[in-house]
Amino acid sequence: AQSVSQHNHHVILSEAASLELGCNYSYGGTVNLFWYVQYPGQHLQLLLKYFSGDPLVKGIKGFEAEFIKSKFSFNLRKPSVQWSDTAEYFCAVKDTDKLIFGTGTRLQVFP
Amino acid sequence: DADVTQTPRNRITKTGKRIMLECSQTKGHDRMYWYRQDPGLGLRLIYYSFDVKDINKGEISDGYSVSRQAQAKFSLSLESAIPNQTALYFCATSDFLESTDTQYFGPGTRLTVL
Repeated sequence: AQSVSQHNHHVILSEAASLELGCNYSYGGTVNLFWYVQYPGQHLQLLLKYFSGDPLVKGIKGFEAEFIKSKFSFNLRKPSVQWSDTAEYFCAVKDTDKLIFGTGTRLQVFP
Repeated sequence: DADVTQTPRNRITKTGKRIMLECSQTKGHDRMYWYRQDPGLGLRLIYYSFDVKDINKGEISDGYSVSRQAQAKFSLSLESAIPNQTALYFCATSDFLESTDTQYFGPGTRLTVL
């Protein structure tokens, strides 16, 4: 079965800093990959997803992620973070009929 | 997402009590899921259902049961609650016709078992 690793558990940045959150999945083949965001006190919302085609995926709020098949990775990036990006970020991979989630990365952005 | 609702939003109960968490959706999706979220552990799948007659165990189904009363309703029960079931519980839905299986989440139920 698939598994997902998020190596950064807690990231602290200042506004305008660049962000990259790591995500690795366990094995190859055709994969569907997702990044979800959970703002404080809210439910999970889809940021972006990859299922085929261009490996660079653009999402909402200026986020993007790059699928690198050779590295089994799907890292999330944003060139300049804002205080409102403070949230928990979850990477997920589709495994047959289910989603497997990583343990999440908590991002704190300070003004 | 207002299309997926969960009741109650918060619940405090005592060890040994039976409790039911309810999920309703107006998205018309056929697939529904129950997850629990614990700090540092992410989301773990408890049960999922692909239609009214289909129920499947997830990663951590022990101590839980579910009922799919209709396409739009999926309930999670804790038969005899214990303190380590204190967690945030999320319901989610997805559409079989959408090949990527994007899931849409409800607002969550915060459950505390004393």
